[in-house]
Amino acid sequence: EVQLVESGGGLVQPGRSLRLSCTASGFTFGDYAMSWVRQAPGKGLEWVGFIRSKAYGGTTEYAASVKGRFTISRDDSKSIAYLQMNSLKTEDTAVYYCTRDLGSAMVDYWGQGTLVTVSS
Amino acid sequence: QSALTQPRSVSGSPGQSVTISCTGTSSDVGGYNYVSWYQQHPGKAPKLMIYDVSKRPSGVPDRFSGSKSGNTASLTISGLQAEDEADYYCCSYAGSYTFPYVFGTGTKVTVL
Repeated sequence: EVQLVESGGGLVQPGRSLRLSCTASGFTFGDYAMSWVRQAPGKGLEWVGFIRSKAYGGTTEYAASVKGRFTISRDDSKSIAYLQMNSLKTEDTAVYYCTRDLGSAMVDYWGQGTLVTVSS
Repeated sequence: QSALTQPRSVSGSPGQSVTISCTGTSSDVGGYNYVSWYQQHPGKAPKLMIYDVSKRPSGVPDRFSGSKSGNTASLTISGLQAEDEADYYCCSYAGSYTFPYVFGTGTKVTVL
């Protein structure tokens, strides 16, 4: 059974950093791209960014709203994806979902989400 | 890159059909056959319902169907059931010269 479990969310002050982790199981993690999608309270979904599999270079892409502040990485030996968030803003407050990315705007598995609250 | 436009809400009685539109541009919806739809119940993670405009993942009822015409994609729910009441989001590939994925604004489906 495919499972994605996020951790690392919490309350953080504006300007500070936070790192989220996504621990995967039930599939060959290294074969897949992984994406992070977020949802602000009461709002819609926003695709934050993704990291390709090593077979496709392991490169990353980011939404304009987080580019230069957020970094996605992966440790295939541990089946973990990370989202490093720096220079956090109040508008980054959201539930962050880790997803298995099949490409072509298709993600087939989602974690349960972890809430990040940016507030002083 | 702007969000795709969806109606804020649609409603229907059990057994009826409802259709949700998702309007983009020739740079996203109209340019590629890569539109997906996600269902989200309150407090839950989204679930993939349709991909590649009209394909259904295993386990998704055939009451759910997708289509596209020009810059507008559509999700139709036939034989509406109580458990279909949820938020629905479309998503489109937008090419490789920009961040490649854009979500729709979301539609609340209410079963009367």
